[in-house]
Amino acid sequence: QPVLTQPPSASASLGASVTLTCTLSSGYSNYKVDWYQQRPGKGPRFVMRVGTGGIVGSKGDGIPDRFSVLGSGLNRYLTIKNIQEEDESDYHCGADHGSGSNLVFGGGTKLTVL
Amino acid sequence: EVQLLESGGGLVQPGGSLRLSCAASGFTFSTYAMGWVRQAPGRGLEWVSIITGSGATAYYADSVKGRFTISRDNSKNTLYLQMNSLRAEDTAVYYCAKDLGEYGGGPFDYWGQGTLVTVSS
Repeated sequence: QPVLTQPPSASASLGASVTLTCTLSSGYSNYKVDWYQQRPGKGPRFVMRVGTGGIVGSKGDGIPDRFSVLGSGLNRYLTIKNIQEEDESDYHCGADHGSGSNLVFGGGTKLTVL
Repeated sequence: EVQLLESGGGLVQPGGSLRLSCAASGFTFSTYAMGWVRQAPGRGLEWVSIITGSGATAYYADSVKGRFTISRDNSKNTLYLQMNSLRAEDTAVYYCAKDLGEYGGGPFDYWGQGTLVTVSS
């Protein structure tokens, strides 16, 4: 099964842009990845799914247009433009390995808004 | 509006049992797979289990296989997780999540707020 690697932390200034990265382990370059946002003390919230061709399906409910994704090789990217205070969250990536029978997550990236 | 409300968490001794419930509303419950994902304090997310919309098929993470049982009552729009032989490493917030489809494969498009399970003597 794939291993997903995320940097533990990232930061960006209010109004700036930031790109978060989720890296699949070797041999899994065709896998789609799901991005989830988790605000402090809250349950996760689905952001969107990304493959090598970009977004797969629709964004999660209420996800603003400032959020976008790209996929390249083993990397799956989540970009947030015009960062707001409300974007300060943990961002998790996940990938399904076997039609729901084995889901794996990365360690999460804590985004700090400066 | 989709709502998922977990309950049943609490403090339990090692080796003990607990049953979590997740009351769902705002969608046709029986036509979507449902799952449990947990998060140990200060850690990332860990997938626990998933069950298809009909309840016919379930899958488990290796870490809980043989100890946890997922089930659902589609007449009550409720998902369950029976947890037996609990260990300290099962301590976590347990989230109920709705899958986008009937058979799993994700994503989990809606999540509950979680219920805390603490395994300690």
